[in-house]
Order: sequence, then C-alpha cells, then structure tokens
Amino acid sequence: EPEVTQTPSHQVTQMGQEVILRCVPISNHLYFYWYRQILGQKVEFLVSFYNNEISEKSEIFDDQFSVERPDGSNFTLKIRSTKLEDSAMYFCASSEDESFGSPLHFGNGTRLTVT
Amino acid sequence: KQEVTQIPAALSVPEGENLVLNCSFTDSAIYNLQWFRQDPGKGLTSLLLIQSSQREQTSGRLNASLDKSSGRSTLYIAASQPGDSATYLCAVLLNYGGSQGNLIFGKGTKLSVKP
Repeated sequence: EPEVTQTPSHQVTQMGQEVILRCVPISNHLYFYWYRQILGQKVEFLVSFYNNEISEKSEIFDDQFSVERPDGSNFTLKIRSTKLEDSAMYFCASSEDESFGSPLHFGNGTRLTVT
Repeated sequence: KQEVTQIPAALSVPEGENLVLNCSFTDSAIYNLQWFRQDPGKGLTSLLLIQSSQREQTSGRLNASLDKSSGRSTLYIAASQPGDSATYLCAVLLNYGGSQGNLIFGKGTKLSVKP
C-alpha cells in the first residue's frame, strides 16, 4: 500500500539554525499538510497546501515557517530560526482530493530536537 | 472554539475483551470524524472515517459510531488482541468551509491489551 514517507526520522539542531523537514506524499494525492505534536500534547494542525499554494494555516504557522513543493514529489517544511519550543514530532500528511470524505494519510514523522 | 476530549486517557484490558473508547466534541458543526491509531514513535494510521450524515462505520473488529447532536463518538473494539495496543486518537473536521485538513485532535486513549 502506498505511504507517505518523511526524512529524516530524527533531526537535532541548535537554537537559531534553519531546518528543512522533507516529505514524499502519496503519488496521486493532491492535498498536503503538516501537523506537529509536542511531547505529551495533542496533534496540532500547521498548514495545508494545494495547487502550489497554502490553502489554510494555523496561528502556530508564523513567519518562521514556510512550505514548498520544489518538484513533483517532495513537500518540505522549513523553519528559518528554530526555537526551543519548536521541539516536537512533525507529521506530513496527504489526501487524495478535496472531498470531505477523503481521509488523511500520515507519515511516520520527524522528531525535531532543538538544543 | 472546538474542543475534543477522549476518555479514558489510558485503558488496560485482558486479551479477548470487548472495549469502548469515547470521544466528545463541543461544537456539533462538523464535516466528519476520524479515528486514528498511533504506535509509539510512529505516525497516525487512519482507522475509520464517519461523515456527519452517517451514524456508524465498521472495519473488521472495529466499529465507530457518531452522535453529532450530542457531540459524541465511540470506537468499539471487539475481541481485543495484544496487537491492538496503541494510542487511539479521535479527530474532527469543522464545518466552516475551510480546507479539509484542519483536523482538531483529542489527546488520545492509550490502550494496553495484556496477553
């Protein structure tokens, strides 16, 4: 069964550094998302992306965050200047179409540790 | 503001038992509700998706029900097995015309099935 893949599985970075988290969504999916989960807390929506532009973003997704689909397969999340509170598990997800009956498929996540 | 609550936070049962996990949400204006499974250090696996117009969905030993008017959903697991041990997350998609990806998650129920 096709799946969403994320790399790296674990990223350690120093505060103030830029990080790029990478995702390869399922090939025929059109909608892409990033979520995050701080340890012990709920999974939180960050951003959704369709047709090469952001379709929705949460309050968490401030100017330090950006997303890009640089080619036909990758979908990236960039954090420009990491803060300690950015430490979390970041999940990429994709869905097939815009119908509200289309489930989201999640990757295994990237654990980001900011020191 | 939509809040999703899951009770209990943790549950331990002997193998073979039938069990029910509960999810409640404060705003009944939802498009759908999804149940996910999360294994330690892994991503989220979609189990069942119930549209707001539906009352229940079944997949194998899993049955999810939805009572939108009372803001409740249950996930019933029949004949539990040790392999069912995981955290089960409930998430709702709000009915406000935004993207389909802004899921609001509960904190989850951590299930342990003892052999």
